[in-house]
Amino acid sequence: QKEVEQNSGPLSVPEGAIASLNCTYSDRGSQSFFWYRQYSGKSPELIMSIYSNGDKEDGRFTAQLNKASQYVSLLIRDSQPSDSATYLCAVNRSGNTGKLIFGQGTTLQVKP
Amino acid sequence: KAGVTQTPRYLIKTRGQQVTLSCSPISGHRSVSWYQQTPGQGLQFLFEYFSETQRNKGNFPGRFSGRQFSNSRSEMNVSTLELGDSALYLCASSSQGGKETQYFGPGTRLLVL
Repeated sequence: QKEVEQNSGPLSVPEGAIASLNCTYSDRGSQSFFWYRQYSGKSPELIMSIYSNGDKEDGRFTAQLNKASQYVSLLIRDSQPSDSATYLCAVNRSGNTGKLIFGQGTTLQVKP
Repeated sequence: KAGVTQTPRYLIKTRGQQVTLSCSPISGHRSVSWYQQTPGQGLQFLFEYFSETQRNKGNFPGRFSGRQFSNSRSEMNVSTLELGDSALYLCASSSQGGKETQYFGPGTRLLVL
């Protein structure tokens, strides 16, 4: 079992729709959770960090964390073609060191 | 604030050579983590430096090493390059490390021939 799992996709949604990206993790003691967006040929760019159970909203993005189910998700409302990218889920297990464990990423395609 | 910078941006080396990559963190950030990204393995943690000390290390051979200077700038070195070392090498900085948010630099793309 991989430590952080994501569906590789591609996830295809029409412009204006809600895109839902999911991530599960294996270490119940994980401390912090991050969503990064990576365009082809570029480096990861932070979208959202979340540390406690519940929802966290930032503009069109909402991250949801459920530690009991070991599940973190990212919702993108009013999806735009510019949102087409690979979305990486990252987990910091220990909280003591800066070691992030990444999922393989989900490729999102937003069609005009 | 300026972001994380990495030099060089692109490198071509041959097997057996060694390479040194440099990373300058965001001003005021003391933690630098290094990652390797390949199509097959994805993003994998190499090591983290905080206050000139290696705080954690990933599952990479000893050919991969790093260091951090008193101004928080970091370098990583790969000796005796292998074809499989071809990858995008990313560094990320955060203020104190730990569970804080990490911000990535643009990466160094290394091709080993």
